[in-house]
Amino acid sequence: QVQLQESGPGLVKPSQTLSLTCTVSGGSISSGDYYWSWIRQPPGKGLEWIGYIYYSGSTYYNPSLKSRVTISVDTSKNQFSLKLSSVTAADTAVYYCARESGYYDSSGYYYNWFDPWGQGTLVTVSS
Amino acid sequence: QSALTQPASVSGSPGQSITISCTGTSSDVGSYNLVSWYQQHPGKAPKLMIYEGSKRPSGVSNRFSGSKSGNTASLTISGLQAEDEADYYCCSYAGSSRVFGGGTKLTVL
Repeated sequence: QVQLQESGPGLVKPSQTLSLTCTVSGGSISSGDYYWSWIRQPPGKGLEWIGYIYYSGSTYYNPSLKSRVTISVDTSKNQFSLKLSSVTAADTAVYYCARESGYYDSSGYYYNWFDPWGQGTLVTVSS
Repeated sequence: QSALTQPASVSGSPGQSITISCTGTSSDVGSYNLVSWYQQHPGKAPKLMIYEGSKRPSGVSNRFSGSKSGNTASLTISGLQAEDEADYYCCSYAGSSRVFGGGTKLTVL
């Protein structure tokens, strides 16, 4: 089955750029059936959706983070990546990558869900 | 967009049933979409429990069920078991964006 694994530095200095990569195994990121998302969770707090990318490169970001976020895809490596610029302590969180399924039915209803998820990686912003 | 509203905590005894609500607006939960629900144990990644409002992935107990009325979606867990103790999150499509609920901590007494 499809598995996702996050990787990247666990410590980033304030004002610098956080960079993470999600490696997908057991399936192709180019299948076209899914969106590939980043989601984060500050310590002791809830989940926050960051954004997604489609294999073609099209993206959509959370409006609250849009000015600092870039998500890219490398289909040759079956990976997608997250860059978050100008980080502060408020960006300290566990960062998850996840596969999103989504489709419209004949009634115009839109269905979407995240499954599977990576195990998550803690990124701490500190000098 | 603002996070969906969930109760901070709910509790129940083994064998009982509990319901977790997820309240949004006509732009998200109340719109033309159905929410998904996730279970998260401490230190673990979230796990999909309900999708398309009421469907269960393979391997998820039929003790978990979902529903929706207006701007509020609900997750019901029947026959509570000790292993159900976890945090639960709802998630809704919101006009190209996605929004999670603030999370509910379920305690099995």
